[in-house]
Amino acid sequence: AQRVTQPEKLLSVFKGAPVELKCNYSYSGSPELFWYVQYSRQRLQLLLRHISRESIKGFTADLNKGETSFHLKKPFAQEEDSAMYYCALMEGSWGKLQFGAGTQVVVTP
Amino acid sequence: NAGVTQTPKFRILKIGQSMTLQCTQDMNHNYMYWYRQDPGMGLKLIYYSVGAGITDKGEVPNGYNVSRSTTEDFPLRLELAAPSQTSVYFCASISGQGTYEQYFGPGTRLTVT
Repeated sequence: AQRVTQPEKLLSVFKGAPVELKCNYSYSGSPELFWYVQYSRQRLQLLLRHISRESIKGFTADLNKGETSFHLKKPFAQEEDSAMYYCALMEGSWGKLQFGAGTQVVVTP
Repeated sequence: NAGVTQTPKFRILKIGQSMTLQCTQDMNHNYMYWYRQDPGMGLKLIYYSVGAGITDKGEVPNGYNVSRSTTEDFPLRLELAAPSQTSVYFCASISGQGTYEQYFGPGTRLTVT
């Protein structure tokens, strides 16, 4: 079965410091991976998908098939980055997502 | 566009009661999903639908039923509420036309006591 692991429940960083959220997956095929974010009092929304190779709000994520990882990184954290972040793996062809448990990021000034 | 809307926002049920969580999207999306979110557990897929009249089970379907009579609506039914169904429920949709970005509703917080 596919599985997504986010080992950190909580990540506390200072403003301006780098932040890295870990995501590891297990999947037998070619994975399609996403990062979703939920800001306080807002709905869950897409942050990044790996095939687009975009940088959104300064975040990047690289798919490493050898290490089966899709870590999310930002070189300089901002207070507005405080949120809950979910790594997700799309399974099959119907858009179904399997989510990790999530990482709460708190950026302190 | 309102996007994905869910009602109610909050609900408290007694054990054994039933209720329907409503989900509507106005983006003409073909694919719709119901997830539940438990603390520290991420979101788990309950049911999904790839079009009107077509539904299928996700990872945790027991205790729930769905229907999809129109493209816009995808209600989730709890027949005999149990404390284990206390959770936050999210509905989501995607167009299914090459883009797989899921658009989420605001969620329904359900407590079963």
